[in-house]
Amino acid sequence: GAVVSQHPSWVICKSGTSVKIECRSLDFQATTMFWYRQFPKQSLMLMATSNEGSKATYEQGVEKDKFLINHASLTLSTLTVTSAHPEDSSFYICSATWTSGTYEQYFGPGTRLTVT
Amino acid sequence: AQSVTQLGSHVSVSEGALVLLRCNYSSSVPPYLFWYVQYPNQGLQLLLKYTTGATLVKGINGFEAEFKKSETSFHLTKPSAHMSDAAEYFCAVSVGYGNKLVFGAGTILRVKS
Repeated sequence: GAVVSQHPSWVICKSGTSVKIECRSLDFQATTMFWYRQFPKQSLMLMATSNEGSKATYEQGVEKDKFLINHASLTLSTLTVTSAHPEDSSFYICSATWTSGTYEQYFGPGTRLTVT
Repeated sequence: AQSVTQLGSHVSVSEGALVLLRCNYSSSVPPYLFWYVQYPNQGLQLLLKYTTGATLVKGINGFEAEFKKSETSFHLTKPSAHMSDAAEYFCAVSVGYGNKLVFGAGTILRVKS
């Protein structure tokens, strides 16, 4: 149980275009989802926290107009990278949790974004 | 604010040898502590977690960790390394249910045959 999927697993886009990444909880209702970014050989950095039906809370330094997060249902959150640039190339990972005291987040497999 | 320090960005052990990955944390409130493993180009898999209760926690794949409040440590161990254990390991701290995780920098474990 507690499976989280991401789509796509990898994507290449041209500079200036937008790309959407989906994060789905497959067998549970995720009240909270998190979006992380991981640069090569580095740790995960939290970008934002999203609660179903609410606006996302962004970490300091993350451009909310560039990284649009929507958590419209209890099983789906999306991250849209708008007007992507090569420096946005990274590995994006989502995680999800629910309100039953499990104290842990369940991670998706990640999405590799390359902006050319 | 919480923080996590993982000592040693790279650890190399021989197959069959003891694995010890070090993690120290800083937290102003009782922490919840986690160890995750990441294989190349994949997401994170939970190895084990400490929330409350017994300070020695056992996880998957033969790993265990001991929460030592006096030392603010949560070191990960495995008695006998296997080639399949080669991966990157992340220690993380959270201050409560559903709250955001703060990750350490990660330790890459190499297992030599």
